[in-house]
Amino acid sequence: EPEVTQTPSHQVTQMGQEVILRCVPISNHLYFYWYRQILGQKVEFLVSFYNNEISEKSEIFDDQFSVERPDGSNFTLKIRSTKLEDSAMYFCASSTVSYNEQFFGPGTRLTVL
Amino acid sequence: SQQGEEDPQALSIQEGENATMNCSYKTSINNLQWYRQNSGRGLVHLILIRSNEREKHSGRLRVTLDTSKKSSSLLITASRAADTASYFCATDAGGLYNNNDMRFGAGTRLTVKP
Repeated sequence: EPEVTQTPSHQVTQMGQEVILRCVPISNHLYFYWYRQILGQKVEFLVSFYNNEISEKSEIFDDQFSVERPDGSNFTLKIRSTKLEDSAMYFCASSTVSYNEQFFGPGTRLTVL
Repeated sequence: SQQGEEDPQALSIQEGENATMNCSYKTSINNLQWYRQNSGRGLVHLILIRSNEREKHSGRLRVTLDTSKKSSSLLITASRAADTASYFCATDAGGLYNNNDMRFGAGTRLTVKP
């Protein structure tokens, strides 16, 4: 069964460093998303991406964040200058169309020291 | 902001019993989804119910939606120890146009004792 994959599973970085989190969505899906979950808290929407552009973003998704689909398979989230409070699990998801179920990857645990 | 809120926050039952979790939300929606998350793992999609549907079944899962009360319930029948996980409802923002951002509640932590 096709699934969303994410790499790395765990990323440790120093405050101020740039990180790129990678995702491979399900191949025939058209909508892509990033969410984050700070330890013990709820899952929070960051951004949705369709047709090679951001379709929606939350207030969390500030200028430090960017997304890209550099080729036909990968979908990346870049954090330019990480802060301690960026430590969280980051989940990628994809769906065939909007209003349909979103399939989530296993997540990348980001630890900012 | 538009989001689901589950209750109870935690639920502990014996294997074989039924578990009911509730979700409330604030504004109109196009659909509501239930997800499961094992500790430290990703989210697994369980079921999607659209705003024009009232009830949906999938195996041992039964989901209801009452748009007049802006609430949904997830019933797991004949629970098993392997059902132990956190369960989240997630809603879209409603409206006519693409609303892809799903808003999650804080979840119900279900523990099924063998």
